[in-house]
Amino acid sequence: DAEITQSPRHKITETGRQVTLACHQTWNHNNMFWYRQDLGHGLRLIHYSYGVQDTNKGEVSDGYSVSRSNTEDLPLTLESAASSQTSVYFCASSLRDYPGELFFGEGSRLTVL
Amino acid sequence: AQSVTQLDSHVSVSEGTPVLLRCNYSSSYSPSLFWYVQHPNKGLQLLLKYTSAATLVKGINGFEAEFKKSETSFHLTKPSAHMSDAAEYFCVVTPFGNEKLTFGTGTRLTIIP
Repeated sequence: DAEITQSPRHKITETGRQVTLACHQTWNHNNMFWYRQDLGHGLRLIHYSYGVQDTNKGEVSDGYSVSRSNTEDLPLTLESAASSQTSVYFCASSLRDYPGELFFGEGSRLTVL
Repeated sequence: AQSVTQLDSHVSVSEGTPVLLRCNYSSSYSPSLFWYVQHPNKGLQLLLKYTSAATLVKGINGFEAEFKKSETSFHLTKPSAHMSDAAEYFCVVTPFGNEKLTFGTGTRLTIIP
């Protein structure tokens, strides 16, 4: 079955370290997204991509970067982790013809000490 | 600009009784509206969507929602709650055809046996 997987599911790191969260989908979806979920804020968009070599900033992109070298993967990198980036991160994907109909991974819980 | 307000952060109902989760939206454009559900430690799953067709929308697991333009509301209902409905529910808005979603802060639904 097609799916979207995130790794690692849990990670603890220290302030200032670089961290990469992986996202891999097997639906061949054009669109991929990274969100963070924090209590009281719902989900907020970090970065998104509409296809290979395309990346765009979301509403909370500072301190994060992504790259899209193939259809299946959109890794999220925290260049220098900060305590404010402690959160649960969700990757999602969708087809161009069905805007808003997202398929989500199970999340990556990141703790920055 | 767009925004969504979920009027209750927590709703408790007894098993077998009706469920009502309230959502008001604001959008400068004709909106698409969605409800997503998140079970504990899981990713979000699309429950139902409104995209300018029928104003009463039916979703999975017996849920439905009605788009009321005059009231700028998109409330989620279910006639009879089941224990498996216990989860967090998110109301989501986006301009029609747009992929950049705005999430509400969520409503936690508790089912009392």
